[in-house]
Amino acid sequence: DQQVKQNSPSLSVQEGRISILNCDYTNSMFDYFLWYKKYPAEGPTFLISISSIKDKNEDGRFTVFLNKSAKHLSLHIVPSQPGDSAVYFCAGDRSGSARQLTFGSGTQLTVLP
Amino acid sequence: ETGVTQTPRHLVMGMTNKKSLKCEQHLGHNAMYWYKQSAKKPLELMFVYSLEERVENNSVPSRFSPECPNSSHLFLHLHTLQPEDSALYLCASSQDAGVDGYTFGSGTRLTVV
Repeated sequence: DQQVKQNSPSLSVQEGRISILNCDYTNSMFDYFLWYKKYPAEGPTFLISISSIKDKNEDGRFTVFLNKSAKHLSLHIVPSQPGDSAVYFCAGDRSGSARQLTFGSGTQLTVLP
Repeated sequence: ETGVTQTPRHLVMGMTNKKSLKCEQHLGHNAMYWYKQSAKKPLELMFVYSLEERVENNSVPSRFSPECPNSSHLFLHLHTLQPEDSALYLCASSQDAGVDGYTFGSGTRLTVV
């Protein structure tokens, strides 16, 4: 059973427009949700997170929205830039003796110039 | 050096070989992880070490054997692998507190022939 799902494997957006990446989860025990960005031949890098007690977190061009009742979160990038082209992974985090992130399968974002 | 360093970056091995992947973190984190990334799949958690003790083993085949000699170093020993084990193997580290989850290494691209 996949606890974190990213149902869109790819997304193409024009430069300057908004990119919206979606993520659904099934595990109610997640305390935090995180987005990671991955370029080819590199490891994922942290982008933005949100606590389960909040519904929005904003950092510059990046905003994450959380809808707990729908078990859904989304990442908005506006305006999108060609350098944003990467694979974006959504992850859920639950408390424990060690942090244990559960990842989705990723969405390849391509921002067209 | 800073961050999380993985060696080698690329590895090609035969099914009868024995090899080891190495990970080193310079962040003072207290937990380290091995993840496997196969194409179009979520990152799969393989092993978690917290304070140098293994916390979770997600039913990974015994042909993968982790070792964590201290809080800064993590190894993944490989023997008699199968072609389907070909993937990107990512090491990560984390501290229990903090909202940014993991710091990943760049990964080892493993090909089993």
